[in-house]
Amino acid sequence: DAKTTQPTSMDCAEGRAANLPCNHSTISGNEYVYWYRQIHSQGPQYIIHGLKNNETNEMASLIITEDRKSSTLILPHATLRDTAVYYCIVRPAPNSGGSNYKLTFGKGTLLTVNP
Amino acid sequence: NAGVTQTPKFQVLKTGQSMTLQCAQDMNHEYMSWYRQDPGMGLRLIHYSVGAGITDQGEVPNGYNVSRSTTEDFPLRLLSAAPSQTSVYFCASRRTTEAFFGQGTRLTVV
Repeated sequence: DAKTTQPTSMDCAEGRAANLPCNHSTISGNEYVYWYRQIHSQGPQYIIHGLKNNETNEMASLIITEDRKSSTLILPHATLRDTAVYYCIVRPAPNSGGSNYKLTFGKGTLLTVNP
Repeated sequence: NAGVTQTPKFQVLKTGQSMTLQCAQDMNHEYMSWYRQDPGMGLRLIHYSVGAGITDQGEVPNGYNVSRSTTEDFPLRLLSAAPSQTSVYFCASRRTTEAFFGQGTRLTVV
């Protein structure tokens, strides 16, 4: 799986957009970008994933650069409950089977949303 | 819909004791896995299963056993607990896309 690089920590004001960057310069053509988050003492929670097009769901938006070497997770209106560690993960296609389903977690970005 | 349920939530063991961490999912997911998380670190994969009767080792399998006799259950066994196994353990299940995680078992080995 491709390696990802994320900032160790970021701050954001409540109500503002939080933009979390991720570098994945060694990503290969069949690898997807996934984002999970982990609120303190809880299990990780899936946020969003994408291949090359920008994606949006009820939680966030995912912007992937044209060369796919980096991406940004956007929380449009951050709340205090969004304070968590955010993990950017690169892995093969979801239905590629076998060990390709594994998720490799790095240390992520600690996002602190301030009142 | 309970999702992924882990029991117990907390456990203290003495060195050398054995125990089983339970994990059950009610979503009929094929893939299940166990991770451990140590302070300041990301999650590390211990063992995983791609279906009933099929298991394989992850990144840090030593000291742990698993079995998958049913789709719903994926227990993790500590054969002889060691202080190095003090950690928070997470079970996850997945069908195709997103993984669902349990709330974790906090294990302390003294």
